[in-house]
Amino acid sequence: QVQLQQWGAGLLKPSETLSLTCVVSGGSFSGYFWTWIRQSPGMGLEWIGEINQSGSPNYNPSLKSRVTMSVDTSTNQLSLKLNSVTAADTAIYYCSRGTIGARLADWGQGTLVTVSS
Amino acid sequence: DIVMTQSPDSLTVSLGERATINCKSSQRVLSRSNNKNYLAWYQQKPGQPPKLLIYWASTREFGVPDRFSGSGSGTDFTLTISSLQAEDVAVYYCQQYYSTPPLTFGGGTKVEIK
Repeated sequence: QVQLQQWGAGLLKPSETLSLTCVVSGGSFSGYFWTWIRQSPGMGLEWIGEINQSGSPNYNPSLKSRVTMSVDTSTNQLSLKLNSVTAADTAIYYCSRGTIGARLADWGQGTLVTVSS
Repeated sequence: DIVMTQSPDSLTVSLGERATINCKSSQRVLSRSNNKNYLAWYQQKPGQPPKLLIYWASTREFGVPDRFSGSGSGTDFTLTISSLQAEDVAVYYCQQYYSTPPLTFGGGTKVEIK
């Protein structure tokens, strides 16, 4: 059974950089779409971006100027960096793995990131 | 961006009864090249990540009970729970992956027991 385990700092101050890591165990890393999604408290789901099967990133235009996603196939890790955070970036952040059809098939447990001065 | 609009916002159904959730996309999400609708449905329970139920609009993910079914094409889609069970209480989201970036979600439909 594939598992996605994610971690990162849960409390940030405004203007700091959010940094999260997601590692897959029990399953393949290569050949999948790797996605970050966030969900503000009590709100819906927002797609942050993905790295496709070719290793190319696609970012949400609304966040593109602040987002960097990368993969390390040697350690089966996916990472997310979001710089210059504000209170509006407070959310639960999820990593997800999928195929072109089942794009968000497997999910990490989620990491609550709070931005507060 | 493709806007996904779900209705209703919330739904109260008796145990064993049918629940129907609608999702409308602002643009067609049907690919003419492979005749597939790039539309998925997710279930989210409190404190949990979303769970994929349906992809390609009507293909049930492995392990999902057959009381869940997806239908529709083009811009109009439906998720049906044929006989609501207590464990189906959750928020349900539709999502398009036809046109990215960005991949977009509906606003969610909360399903409760009457």
